[in-house]
Amino acid sequence: QQQVKQSPQSLIVQKGGISIINCAYENTAFDYFPWYQQFPGKGPALLIAIRPDVSEKKEGRFTISFNKSAKQFSLHIMDSQPGDSATYFCAARGGGSTLGRLYFGRGTQLTVWP
Amino acid sequence: KAGVTQTPRYLIKTRGQQVTLSCSPISGHRSVSWYQQTPGQGLQFLFEYFSETQRNKGNFPGRFSGRQFSNSRSEMNVSTLELGDSALYLCASSHLTGELFFGEGSRLTVL
Repeated sequence: QQQVKQSPQSLIVQKGGISIINCAYENTAFDYFPWYQQFPGKGPALLIAIRPDVSEKKEGRFTISFNKSAKQFSLHIMDSQPGDSATYFCAARGGGSTLGRLYFGRGTQLTVWP
Repeated sequence: KAGVTQTPRYLIKTRGQQVTLSCSPISGHRSVSWYQQTPGQGLQFLFEYFSETQRNKGNFPGRFSGRQFSNSRSEMNVSTLELGDSALYLCASSHLTGELFFGEGSRLTVL
C-alpha cells in the first residue's frame, strides 16, 4: 500500500519554464512533508519541507503548496534550469517516535532542456 | 560539518553470503535510519535507531538487522543474501528537528 502517491513519473520542461510535481497522501497523522532531490550516484538531498499549518512555503525558486483538506501537496520549480534535472521525491512522516520514518513517493524524473 | 558517511560505497556478493554496511551520522545526530532503494520498489524504510535502541522497523524479513553504537554510528546486516537484495542502501541521520540527511549510499550487487 503506497502511503504517498506521486505524479508524474517523468517530466520534461524547457529551460525557464515551471516544473510542477504533485503528491497525495491518506494518513492524516502525517505532519511533516519534505521534498528530496537526487542526482545519479548520490543520496537524496533535502530540498524544502512544509508542515500542515501553512499552505505555502517558498525558498528561492522552489515552492511547496499544501492543501490539507485535499491531502495533497505539490512542488513548483520556477525558472527551471538544466542543473535542476534530477529525480524528485516527495515524502511524509508522522510525529512522535516515528521521526526517522519517511514514506516516499515513487519519484519524478525531471529533465530540463536548455 | 561532515555529512553522513557510508562504507563501503560499492560491493558485490553472491547469494547466500552476508553483508555488513556501516554508517557514521552527522556529528551530534543521535537518530540513524536505513532505507533500501530499488527501481521497482523505490525508497523503503528498513529501521531506525535512536540512542542504541531500535525505535521503528519496516516490513522487511528478519534477515535484515541493524544496530547502533554508543557513538551513534550504525551498522546494518543482511544475512543469506538473495538476488532481490541488490539495491542502494541509504543511511540517514537526524537531530532534534527531525530533518533527515542522507549519505550517498552503499550499492550492493548480489550475483
